[in-house]
Amino acid sequence: EDQVTQSPEALRLQEGESSSLNCSYTVSGLRGLFWYRQDPGKGPEFLFTLYSAGEEKEKERLKATLTKKESFLHITAPKPEDSATYLCAVQGRGLAGNNRKLIWGLGTSLAVNP
Amino acid sequence: DTEVTQTPKHLVMGMTNKKSLKCEQHMGHRAMYWYKQKAKKPPELMFVYSYEKLSINESVPSRFSPECPNSSLLNLHLHALQPEDSALYLCASSQVISLPDTQYFGPGTRLTVL
Repeated sequence: EDQVTQSPEALRLQEGESSSLNCSYTVSGLRGLFWYRQDPGKGPEFLFTLYSAGEEKEKERLKATLTKKESFLHITAPKPEDSATYLCAVQGRGLAGNNRKLIWGLGTSLAVNP
Repeated sequence: DTEVTQTPKHLVMGMTNKKSLKCEQHMGHRAMYWYKQKAKKPPELMFVYSYEKLSINESVPSRFSPECPNSSLLNLHLHALQPEDSALYLCASSQVISLPDTQYFGPGTRLTVL
């Protein structure tokens, strides 16, 4: 069964204190892994799509990496405005229909204190 | 431009009311999605439209009725809802669902059923 597990569930950092969020997955043939940021009461904001092991993508203070079993979202020198829930989702190859929908993790709630 | 718009932002309705949620995108995407999200949970897929045709219905109760009038618009008609249907309703769009493509989300409609 396809599954996504994110850790930690919650993380509190001081401003400037770098850290990483983890997304472990099991899926029948990875088609893509997605990272989103979500602020309370708002829709998820797209961050990155990763397609194959070894791939890395960066955006400002964020860097996403992918292996065959997991993905990391590295946050370098975070600021209070980086506080949000970070969601990971995967899409497997499977067959047409429901197997192509996103499988979501429960998210990591990040709080960055000034 | 990666914008998906949703109206209204907030909606309060009684269990006997009929209301509609609206979603619009102008990115030329040919797949559109409705999600339901409860607090501290990831988005839960409800419906997928591909090329204006309903392609996935995740066994959603008939009190939720989707409609895709054209490639840019997506509606969700609500009737005889229950208090447990209160949630954040999210619309998303992507280029084509048969590829590993990225879903872009709207800001959501916060629905409260009294």
